[in-house]
Amino acid sequence: DTAVSQTPKYLVTQMGNDKSIKCEQNLGHDTMYWYKQDSKKFLKIMFSYNNKELIINETVPNRFSPKSPDKAHLNLHINSLELGDSAVYFCASSQSSEKLFFGSGTQLSVL
Amino acid sequence: AQSVSQHNHHVILSEAASLELGCNYSYGGTVNLFWYVQYPGQHLQLLLKYFSGDPLVKGIKGFEAEFIKSKFSFNLRKPSVQWSDTAEYFCAVNDGGGYQKVTFGTGTKLQVIP
Repeated sequence: DTAVSQTPKYLVTQMGNDKSIKCEQNLGHDTMYWYKQDSKKFLKIMFSYNNKELIINETVPNRFSPKSPDKAHLNLHINSLELGDSAVYFCASSQSSEKLFFGSGTQLSVL
Repeated sequence: AQSVSQHNHHVILSEAASLELGCNYSYGGTVNLFWYVQYPGQHLQLLLKYFSGDPLVKGIKGFEAEFIKSKFSFNLRKPSVQWSDTAEYFCAVNDGGGYQKVTFGTGTKLQVIP
């Protein structure tokens, strides 16, 4: 049973397109996150939701819009994709201040 | 704001060598500290964590880390590395507050040569 699952695993698209990445966790955690890992492996938090409420919103362009229909899901929609958006996007979840459980990542390539 | 520094960007060791990866954090309050590992092509997994108590914490696969509050450090160690330890290692800090914002260091790539 996968604890944090995200789809798709790979996403190749053209500049200017709109795409979504989905994430689901079956751990019963209250908090979910989106992280971006660039080509140098640097991990940067983008968003965090706690019980469907946005609690962390780092300096991310407005083209990125997270959506949490319930506490088990946190999707990420990206409008007007740019070359610089190419990265691996990781979904994660946690409960209280405990460890993060990561999904397997979505490798986004913008051509 | 909290920040994490990992000074070793790329470390190359032979099998059986000892490992120490540096991690320093910047935050004035109570922190929770973590080391995560990312094996090639995989997602991050927790190696070990420190919340309170004994500053020397032991994790999986023979790794340990020591929290030195006066130095704001949480260095990762392993007495004898194996080829299978080849991976990217990330130090992370959580301010332990109501909102669990985890900040990661830039990572250290460990390459173990057989």
